[in-house]
Amino acid sequence: QSVLTQPPSASGTPGQRVTISCSGSSSNIGSNTVNWYQQLPGTAPKLLIYRNNQRPSGVPDRFSGSKSGTSASLAISGLQSEDEADYYCATWDDSLNGWVFGGGTKLTVL
Amino acid sequence: EVQLVESGGGLVKPGGSLRLSCAASGFTFSSYTVIWVRQAPGKGLEWVSSISSSSSYIYYADSVKGRFTISRDNAKNSLFLQMNSLRAEDTAVYYCARELDTMTAFDYWGQGTLVTVSS
Repeated sequence: QSVLTQPPSASGTPGQRVTISCSGSSSNIGSNTVNWYQQLPGTAPKLLIYRNNQRPSGVPDRFSGSKSGTSASLAISGLQSEDEADYYCATWDDSLNGWVFGGGTKLTVL
Repeated sequence: EVQLVESGGGLVKPGGSLRLSCAASGFTFSSYTVIWVRQAPGKGLEWVSSISSSSSYIYYADSVKGRFTISRDNAKNSLFLQMNSLRAEDTAVYYCARELDTMTAFDYWGQGTLVTVSS
């Protein structure tokens, strides 16, 4: 059972916009910034969004993040086949004194 | 180019020990917090441990506290994870990663090393 809650799966067709939610509590998302990671099959995770809504250089602006209260979300617009991957949210938890991840969302491009 | 390369994984019996290493290059290793994250087969990501740039701050997940020890050698640009009293549930790919800035995000990751705990 992960500290952060994500839907196990999401899907969309090419060109569509999809969102993935991440729900936490006051000790984690409510107090700290949220990051999102993309993990393509068989590869290491890659930083997609940091500090709620910042994109590292090289990440397309089709990817955006937001946070409100104890929840965060990742939006992917103009969905492409190469976006098919697992997506994880993560943040620091002040009560656990450690990093926590969501359980991951498997995105399928139909 | 920033690179993190893990090594030391393998097959070990329950109760055994293993030491993982992570060789860093392409950046000033001594200036960054580095961490270990693991991923059990077919499962999600789990943070294991973090160590600050000068080793002043060290954190562990409850699941490994008292069994795993994180350390670093800034002179050799290396990160380590000493794993003792290994259990079947420690079976996972172990990744090392760099923390972008204090308590921000992990911006560079290694390719991972597989640890299998089985009799």
